[in-house]
Amino acid sequence: DVKVTQSSRYLVKRTGEKVFLECVQDMDHENMFWYRQDPGLGLRLIYFSYDVKMKEKGDIPEGYSVSREKKERFSLILESASTNQTSMYLCATLAGGTEQYFGPGTRLTVT
Amino acid sequence: EDKVVQSPLSLVVHEGDTVTLNCSYEVTNFRSLLWYKQEKKAPTFLFMLTSSGIEKKSGRLSSILDKKELFSILNITATQTGDSAIYLCAVEENTGNQFYFGTGTSLTVIP
Repeated sequence: DVKVTQSSRYLVKRTGEKVFLECVQDMDHENMFWYRQDPGLGLRLIYFSYDVKMKEKGDIPEGYSVSREKKERFSLILESASTNQTSMYLCATLAGGTEQYFGPGTRLTVT
Repeated sequence: EDKVVQSPLSLVVHEGDTVTLNCSYEVTNFRSLLWYKQEKKAPTFLFMLTSSGIEKKSGRLSSILDKKELFSILNITATQTGDSAIYLCAVEENTGNQFYFGTGTSLTVIP
């Protein structure tokens, strides 16, 4: 059974804190993605990775960085959290170029 | 256990054909169902459905939700090659704002 897991369902952080969002997959997929979803804006791509230690910026990378040291784990890092980063964060993997598997999401609130 | 199932997995049609994409779900605390079109990296939001029986329409695309039978359909009339994409269905749960995504339907429209 395919599985993409995210470390937290809910997270509350203070402005200026460093935040780590973890995503782990057990399907041996090369491609992994981080999105944020906001009302009225749909899914927006932050970063993606097509292999270990490889990363590419998506549409809205500012204020974020990523780490992919192992194939199964893709971390999203907010170096200094700000209130406009309050959002739902979704991790996904891609199989065979067509099937995308999403994690359950992490709702981050920055106060 | 699959929460959101899309069918068919892939579809090849000729320009001008009409297609119907299906999304069925099993989510206890339903909040909304969303349709996305994914051509490159990030899915593009199409529709959000919350009420049964009310058709949402945008140009040649339309969608409707049946909360009793737990499914939604996405119709595309007079298909064009630019409609070729993966169409994703997602269901948002009321408790915890968790999202469940289907794996998508890959649509190819040939001239």
